[in-house]
Amino acid sequence: QSALTQPPSASGSPGQSVTISCTGTSSDVGGYNYVSWYQQHPGKAPKLMIYEVTKRPSGVPDRFSGSKSGNTASLTVSGLQAEDEADYYCSSYAGSTEVFGTGTKVTVL
Amino acid sequence: QVQLQESGPGLVKPSETLSLTCTVSGGSISSHYWTWIRQPPGKGLEWIGYISYSGSTNYNPSLKSRVTVSLDTSKNQFSLKLSSVTAADTAVYYCAKFSGPSWALLSWGQGTLVTVSS
Repeated sequence: QSALTQPPSASGSPGQSVTISCTGTSSDVGGYNYVSWYQQHPGKAPKLMIYEVTKRPSGVPDRFSGSKSGNTASLTVSGLQAEDEADYYCSSYAGSTEVFGTGTKVTVL
Repeated sequence: QVQLQESGPGLVKPSETLSLTCTVSGGSISSHYWTWIRQPPGKGLEWIGYISYSGSTNYNPSLKSRVTVSLDTSKNQFSLKLSSVTAADTAVYYCAKFSGPSWALLSWGQGTLVTVSS
């Protein structure tokens, strides 16, 4: 059970968009539509931003969107704001277990 | 909105058993699924395992031989035991409410740092 692969960092200016990838295998990301994305600010607990690849929990801005193609899922943050600067983790169902991504630090320039 | 709070010793000696409790408020533990996740300092998240409202469990294969998660419905709590700990088990441990149908972690506790050291 290996961690899903994410880029270590991503950045964008306020108002721009940033997209983070999450690459797994056919045994996790590619095999199921159970990909979630979590936002974590320093010293805080993670917060669910996207579940089931594209769904947003109540209260999450529609600037956050998810997608998937094959073994790679993606999170796009549109209209970047200062408060979006955080670490982002993907996760996926992997056949009765769950696996997390390696994490991506998003910087708002 | 359910709230979760982890509690337990912040320091555990090598080879001993780490024990943590998660207290759930604002909702009954006798529904939904409940899970533990950990995060070593400066590193990423690792799923430890979950327990259902009926008591069925599922664990990370890499930790399965050392992990036990249990429910105490009378106290609206669930617990984690991790045996034979080493320095590699030093981490912030989070408890969370888990949506079985969505495989998503809906609500998280604030986390508690457990250090393994003699």
